[in-house]
Amino acid sequence: EAGVTQFPSHSVIEKGQTVTLRCDPISGHDNLYWYRRVMGKEIKFLLHFVKESKQDESGMPNNRFLAERTGGTYSTLKVQPAELEDSGVYFCASSRGQGHAGYTFGSGTRLTVV
Amino acid sequence: KQEVTQIPAALSVPEGENLVLNCSFTDSAIYNLQWFRQDPGKGLTSLLLIQSSQREQTSGRLNASLDKSSGRSTLYIAASQPGDSATYLCAVKYGYGQNFVFGPGTRLSVLP
Repeated sequence: EAGVTQFPSHSVIEKGQTVTLRCDPISGHDNLYWYRRVMGKEIKFLLHFVKESKQDESGMPNNRFLAERTGGTYSTLKVQPAELEDSGVYFCASSRGQGHAGYTFGSGTRLTVV
Repeated sequence: KQEVTQIPAALSVPEGENLVLNCSFTDSAIYNLQWFRQDPGKGLTSLLLIQSSQREQTSGRLNASLDKSSGRSTLYIAASQPGDSATYLCAVKYGYGQNFVFGPGTRLSVLP
């Protein structure tokens, strides 16, 4: 089966601009997660979709971040306007269930805000 | 607060050595624990997943153990190879439907 796909792999934008990251989960995986790793810190949870619904968005840092998952397939994470501290690697993961199944991660999007 | 720590932060060993990476977690009431590896500039590759009811999992040269009472998991790598060089991450899930809490990782270098 195809893995979790993320694009772009890299993005460099100026402070104040908007960036949209995309994640295509493994087909049939209802659960989709966004995580990020900012420089020097651990990977942190952002939010969790079950199909098209937001199950948990407690990790979203502020209202400049907007995640959507229309139709329960791919998901987008928009940062608007981007700030310098948003720089980092944004990972997407998917899983079939919420219980005993592990996650499959994508390769991540490296976002640099200058 | 649920936290995951990993020791050591970095490790350098000669090829062929057996090694142990450590993961500690607060709150012994975990649901499951997953070990990942991350190569530079790449995503996370799942290595082993241990459920709370299990003591260990094995895959090839890798063996992961879980001791909930002491809040620890270890990843044992046998006969290390240069290709094992990567950052190894431990992630803990504390309940059904909850997200994973990640440790900071151990950066492993296996020297030829």
